[in-house]
Amino acid sequence: QQQVKQSPQSLIVQKGGIPIINCAYENTAFDYFPWYQQFPGKGPALLIAIRPDVSEKKEGRFTISFNKSAKQFSLHIMDSQPGDSATYFCAAIHPNSGYALNFGKGTSLLVTP
Amino acid sequence: KAGVTQTPRYLIKTRGQQVTLSCSPISGHRSVSWYQQTPGQGLQFLFEYFSETQRNKGNFPGRFSGRQFSNSRSEMNVSTLELGDSALYLCASSLRPRDGYTFGSGTRLTVV
Repeated sequence: QQQVKQSPQSLIVQKGGIPIINCAYENTAFDYFPWYQQFPGKGPALLIAIRPDVSEKKEGRFTISFNKSAKQFSLHIMDSQPGDSATYFCAAIHPNSGYALNFGKGTSLLVTP
Repeated sequence: KAGVTQTPRYLIKTRGQQVTLSCSPISGHRSVSWYQQTPGQGLQFLFEYFSETQRNKGNFPGRFSGRQFSNSRSEMNVSTLELGDSALYLCASSLRPRDGYTFGSGTRLTVV
């Protein structure tokens, strides 16, 4: 079963907007939460990651917010650009499952000019 | 620095055949993982190898297998292909898995 639930499935924002992608998980043993960005014809690329002892992490225009009690985390893209149009995946790693990434189903983001 | 290289990029096979996909990780990366990506199921973990040993396996039938060589290069094999095996197969390598994986561009397998 899907261990990480991601929403929305697709998102359209105007340039300069702040798209927000949400993920939720049930397994409290997950201890590492990366986000990946995938362009057509390419493999996913690591964007930013967070551990549950941190509530927020920023890298450039990308911010992860983490709510441990709610078992939710989200990706915010500040000042979004047409070049950010891609599919975004959240993921989680369980320390006792080796290093298998449990991915959400993905969010297709379109940033219009 | 060269990225993760997967060959071939595209493959068309017939039901019942078998296929072998190849992955060359980033130099120095000893952990190699494989994932299957389909529109319906998304990205699903197949297996992970470290220093020629399979450390973890996903929930796939025994028709899916893999191995890693002493130079960290990895192969995955799918026997008795089914139509449902049509997917993008992605390989990822890492120096330290906790620090993230680098994915290749994948092999697009079509089973007809």
